[in-house]
Amino acid sequence: DVKVTQSSRYLVKRTGEKVFLECVQDMDHENMFWYRQDPGLGLRLIYFSYDVKMKEKGDIPEGYSVSREKKERFSLILESASTNQTSMYLCASSLGGGPSGNTIYFGEGSWLTVV
Amino acid sequence: LAKTTQPISMDSYEGQEVNITCSHNNIATNDYITWYQQFPSQGPRFIIQGYKTKVTNEVASLFIPADRKSSTLSLPRVSLSDTAVYYCLVGDRGYQLIWGAGTKLIIKP
Repeated sequence: DVKVTQSSRYLVKRTGEKVFLECVQDMDHENMFWYRQDPGLGLRLIYFSYDVKMKEKGDIPEGYSVSREKKERFSLILESASTNQTSMYLCASSLGGGPSGNTIYFGEGSWLTVV
Repeated sequence: LAKTTQPISMDSYEGQEVNITCSHNNIATNDYITWYQQFPSQGPRFIIQGYKTKVTNEVASLFIPADRKSSTLSLPRVSLSDTAVYYCLVGDRGYQLIWGAGTKLIIKP
């Protein structure tokens, strides 16, 4: 089974802090994604990466950055956390290379509260 | 990008078959149809994917008519543990998928 592991399940951070959310996948997938999920708004794509050191903005990249130094690891960075970034963050990966390879596998989610 | 329309919520009872229909009128030739299940406080989980006709796996069946403008997820003999939100997505690239509100399925004893 594909396993996507998010390092922190629950975090509480202060406004202005720099926050790192780490994600690791163990299936040699090409693509990795970061989403946030808020009640009534569904999943929204923040950033995705299709290769090491490559990244593309999603629908809501403002206030976030990402890093992919190794194929299996994709980090989401909140440079200066704000209360409107309180949310559940979901990391995901997909194999790539065709429709069946675009099936997305999600981690368990990281609940971030910014106070 | 193809957007999908599905019921906001549905109720059913244990042991029943549940069918959730999704409308995707603007589906493109290359698009696949994928369904996910999400429990509270967890990430979505892949259920099934198809392009046309019928696909079946160990947990569900997916029916897609010839015009591909809709699809129906069928869950046989549901149990209480099938209570979840079900998402229908259309696309051929993961980053293009548009996640709507999904269908909140509640199974009653």
